[in-house]
Amino acid sequence: DTEVTQTPKHLVMGMTNKKSLKCEQHMGHRAMYWYKQKAKKPPELMFVYSYEKLSINESVPSRFSPECPNSSLLNLHLHALQPEDSALYLCASSQVFSGRNPRRGQPQHFGDGTRLSIL
Amino acid sequence: GESVGLHLPTLSVQEGDNSIINCAYSNSASDYFIWYKQESGKGPQFIIDIRSNMDKRQGQRVTVLLNKTVKHLSLQIAATQPGDSAVYFCAEKHPDDYKLSFGAGTTVTVRA
Repeated sequence: DTEVTQTPKHLVMGMTNKKSLKCEQHMGHRAMYWYKQKAKKPPELMFVYSYEKLSINESVPSRFSPECPNSSLLNLHLHALQPEDSALYLCASSQVFSGRNPRRGQPQHFGDGTRLSIL
Repeated sequence: GESVGLHLPTLSVQEGDNSIINCAYSNSASDYFIWYKQESGKGPQFIIDIRSNMDKRQGQRVTVLLNKTVKHLSLQIAATQPGDSAVYFCAEKHPDDYKLSFGAGTTVTVRA
């Protein structure tokens, strides 16, 4: 069992639907991430939140809208998706180093993802 | 044990043998490296990490080696078991970035 919980595990939606993916962690991590993973490929970073503020948007289309309501929760709102958006969506979290360099490497801990299929 | 000198997308290993998975990283300024294991239907699972001020780090049945001269990272798994069958990803991080850059992954299959 992972310490990062993602819901739902599977989601099938039409291109006109609006849905949300949810992620929760209780490890006290202050950095949270969304990744997209296609079959047999490595995860691709989409967004990074640090202290509940968006730090990185990797040029993701606006049909994906992230939200970090508090330090434990991360949402990804989906609207008007395309068939090519079908993928595994992974959430991860990590500590933020409190020393001089907040970007000092820390392990990212992943959830098991939401398998998204766009009809 | 089974080993490859260069990164290969697949590795077949006899149960009980040692495995070596190789990874070439791209940025000589990267200062943090990490190995993940991803089983079918699951998210990547942290195995072990290493910082650039070290060249070797050991965990339970796993060892990571870092050669900064040739920008090479390897993961050694001792006494490979069927449960080690998975895709293994290496990742690197630049000190000025939050982002992990993942390698292409190696699929390890353990033969009984």
